[in-house]
Amino acid sequence: AQKITQTQPGMFVQEKEAVTLDCTYDTSDPSYGLFWYKQPSSGEMIFLIYQGSYDQQNATEGRYSLNFQKARKSANLVISASQLGDSAMYFCAMRENFRYKLIFGSGTRLLVRP
Amino acid sequence: DVKVTQSSRYLVKRTGEKVFLECVQDMDHENMFWYRQDPGLGLRLIYFSYDVKMKEKGDIPEGYSVSREKKERFSLILESASTNQTSMYLCASSLDGATNEKLFFGSGTQLSVL
Repeated sequence: AQKITQTQPGMFVQEKEAVTLDCTYDTSDPSYGLFWYKQPSSGEMIFLIYQGSYDQQNATEGRYSLNFQKARKSANLVISASQLGDSAMYFCAMRENFRYKLIFGSGTRLLVRP
Repeated sequence: DVKVTQSSRYLVKRTGEKVFLECVQDMDHENMFWYRQDPGLGLRLIYFSYDVKMKEKGDIPEGYSVSREKKERFSLILESASTNQTSMYLCASSLDGATNEKLFFGSGTQLSVL
C-alpha cells in the first residue's frame, strides 16, 4: 500500500539560508507522482512542485527543488534562500499511476527566523 | 482563475446533528475529493468522486457519506455528528486522474462538534 512519511514535525531555519524538508514514500507501483504543497496559516493549500517517477532530472520551480532519490524512495523538498513568508506547513504527497487519490504525509511545520 | 469554494469557513454543530458540508468548483473538473486534516496526522482522504453520481471510499469513510448530483458540486454529509469529527475539512478537485494532475483546494471548513 502506498504510504508517505515525513519525520520532521517542526523545523527552524534562518532567513536567507537553505532548508531541506524530508519525505520518504512507499509504493510497489513503478509509475507514480510526487507532490509538495504549502499551507500558510491562512489555511489554503498551495501546490509547489511535482516529480514524476520516470523523470530523469530533479524538478525545480524557482526557489523550490525536489531532491529525488528513487532507490532510497525519498523526495526531499529544498527551499533555497528562505524568506519569512516561507513559514508554513509543508506536505508531501503521492499518487500512484491510474489512481485518482493523492495520499499525504503528516506534514512539517517550518518557521523562518529573521 | 480556478476556484474551489467551500460554503462555510467555520461551523459549530451539536452531537447527533446531521451536517452538510458543501463544495463547488468552477473548473469543469472530473474528480472531487474530501479530506480531513488533523494535527500530526496530515490530510486523510474521506471520499472521492470521479464522475457525477460516482463515488469511492477513501481511507476513513466511517461516519460520512457524500453526494455528487452535479459535476461542479460535491457534498460531504455527517449523518450523526460526533465529537471525534471535530476537524478541518478540505475539499479539492482535479481535472482528471492523470498521475501528474495536481489538486486544487478550497479554503477549508473548521467544524466543531460540541
